Amino acid sequence: EPEVTQTPSHQVTQMGQEVILRCVPISNHLYFYWYRQILGQKVEFLVSFYNNEISEKSEIFDDQFSVERPDGSNFTLKIRSTKLEDSAMYFCASSETGRYTGELFFGEGSRLTVL
Amino acid sequence: AQSVTQLGSHVSVSEGALVLLRCNYSSSVPPYLFWYVQYPNQGLQLLLKYTTGATLVKGINGFEAEFKKSETSFHLTKPSAHMSDAAEYFCAVSDQAGTALIFGKGTTLSVSS
Repeated sequence: EPEVTQTPSHQVTQMGQEVILRCVPISNHLYFYWYRQILGQKVEFLVSFYNNEISEKSEIFDDQFSVERPDGSNFTLKIRSTKLEDSAMYFCASSETGRYTGELFFGEGSRLTVL
Repeated sequence: AQSVTQLGSHVSVSEGALVLLRCNYSSSVPPYLFWYVQYPNQGLQLLLKYTTGATLVKGINGFEAEFKKSETSFHLTKPSAHMSDAAEYFCAVSDQAGTALIFGKGTTLSVSS
C-alpha cells in the first residue's frame, strides 16, 4: 500500500541551527502539507503546497520556515534558525484531490528536539 | 474562524463497552468533518469523514459518527470496544472553501480487559 515516508524520524539540534525535514508523498498525489504537534497540544496546520507553490499557510509559518519540492518526489520543510519552541512532531501529508474533501495521508512524523 | 473542541483528553472503557468520543465544532459555513486515528509510532489515518449527504457516516473498524448541525457536534461511536482500538483520536474540520484542516487536541482512548 502506498504511503508517505518521512526522514529523519528524530532529529536533535542546537538552537539557531538550520533543519531540513524530508517527506516523500504518495506518487500520484498533487497536494502536500506540513502539520506539527507540540507535545500535549493540537495538531496544527503549517502550510499546503500545490503546483509548485504555497497555496495556504498559517500564522505559525513565518519567515523562518520554507518549503520546497526540489525534485519529482521529495517535499521538504526547512527551518532556518531553530528556536526552542520549534520542538515538536512534524507531520507531512499528501492528498490526491485537495480542498480537504479528499483524504489526507500522513507520514509517521519527524520528531524535532531543539536544545 | 473554524475550531474544534474534543471533550475529554482521555477516555477509558472496558473491552466490549460502548465507545463515545465527543467532538464539537465551530464553523460559519457548512463544515466538512473528519475523524483521524493515530496508533503509537504511526501517522494519522482517516477513520471517516462527512462532507454532504447522509449525516450518519460509517468508517473503518466499526466506527461511525453522526453530524448534528443543531448541536454542532460530530461524535464518534463504536458499539463494542476492542483492545486494538486503543489509540489517539483526532476530530478535524474544514469547509467548502478548502481552508486548512483544523484539528482538535485529541482524545486518548484506553481499553482494558
